[in-house]
Amino acid sequence: DSGVTQTPKHLITATGQRVTLRCSPRSGDLSVYWYQQSLDQGLQFLIQYYNGEERAKGNILERFSAQQFPDLHSELNLSSLELGDSALYFCASSEFQGNTEAFFGQGTRLTVV
Amino acid sequence: AQRVTQPEKLLSVFKGAPVELKCNYSYSGSPELFWYVQYSRQRLQLLLRHISRESIKGFTADLNKGETSFHLKKPFAQEEDSAMYYCALMIYNQGGKLIFGQGTELSVKP
Repeated sequence: DSGVTQTPKHLITATGQRVTLRCSPRSGDLSVYWYQQSLDQGLQFLIQYYNGEERAKGNILERFSAQQFPDLHSELNLSSLELGDSALYFCASSEFQGNTEAFFGQGTRLTVV
Repeated sequence: AQRVTQPEKLLSVFKGAPVELKCNYSYSGSPELFWYVQYSRQRLQLLLRHISRESIKGFTADLNKGETSFHLKKPFAQEEDSAMYYCALMIYNQGGKLIFGQGTELSVKP
């Protein structure tokens, strides 16, 4: 167990809908990362937050947004879902400074039908 | 631009054979590199990082700044090593962004 918790584990929804994925980082970790893993694109960095602030952005679509709350948990919001959004979404957390390891959650498997 | 390249999508070897998973990076700063492993599309787990210079499960990786490489090696592959392996680069001047290569699937056959 990495200490990073993601909910839900599985999500099936229809095209056009909106979903929210939740991530609770390891105790004490201030940095949260979101990744999308699909068969054709591999592991794509979406966005990173540190202590509530957005710090880095990757290949995140405008239909997607995220935030990190004062208690440091994070949510990834996906709207106007398309079939191609079906993927495994991982959250990871780490300390910000130093040569630190990122700890991954078990992922949320999103299926858009 | 920062980039991590893993040229092999799939590497298939027999049990007991040596393994080398290639990783090349592009980064103008001082790199911090990691190898992560993912078994059966479960959570990614850190395998090793270059600064610790440790050997985990028989795997080692040496940072070669001249060749901008961080290849993962194991002298004798085991069936339980079959997994996806991701090389990752930490970009500290962008908030600690961790970017990954495309991954290499290692298949160890009996």
